[in-house]
Amino acid sequence: AQSVAQPEDQVNVAEGNPLTVKCTYSVSGNPYLFWYVQYPNRGLQFLLKYITGDNLVKGSYGFEAEFNKSQTSFHLKKPSALVSDSALYFCAVRGLGGTASKLTFGTGTRLQVTL
Amino acid sequence: EAGVVQSPRYKIIEKKQPVAFWCNPISGHNTLYWYLQNLGQGPELLIRYENEEAVDDSQLPKDRFSAERLKGVDSTLKIQPAELGDSAVYLCASSAGTAAFGEQFFGPGTRLTVL
Repeated sequence: AQSVAQPEDQVNVAEGNPLTVKCTYSVSGNPYLFWYVQYPNRGLQFLLKYITGDNLVKGSYGFEAEFNKSQTSFHLKKPSALVSDSALYFCAVRGLGGTASKLTFGTGTRLQVTL
Repeated sequence: EAGVVQSPRYKIIEKKQPVAFWCNPISGHNTLYWYLQNLGQGPELLIRYENEEAVDDSQLPKDRFSAERLKGVDSTLKIQPAELGDSAVYLCASSAGTAAFGEQFFGPGTRLTVL
């Protein structure tokens, strides 16, 4: 069965500093990896995805993520955090075929950016 | 372009009562998903439709939950009777295809409270 682990319930960072939100995954075959962000009382918004190709993926709002196959990781990064980045971030993985084609989410990491 | 629309946004009912949630996906999206999101958790898939057909309902508790997507557009998720443990946010999402690398677009969700 496929799974996602987000080891940190919360990440705190000062505005202007770089941020990293960690994600590791487990899936049979090639992974399709996603990051979503959830603001209060709003649905999840797509940030970026890795399908194939360059291991560094760039997405919305200046976020990027690095795919590392040997470490089965897909960490979310941003060079300079903003207070407005404060939200709940979900990593997700999707395999291929049958029930593996469903999107499996991690438990989420709350990012708190302070002045 | 309008996003995924869900109604109601909030619903409070007493246990053993029925409840229904409605979802209108993004125009042209043939795949529709219903997710359950418990507090502090990531979304979990309940059912996935491709057009009118439910292609993955393995996680839907069929003794009390039902769903339909008539005409392959709008969808309704019903719970009858509701239990205390059903209190959660019910998310609807849609995507343009079924490919594993297609991102899903989420609605704002319906927050259900069962008293």
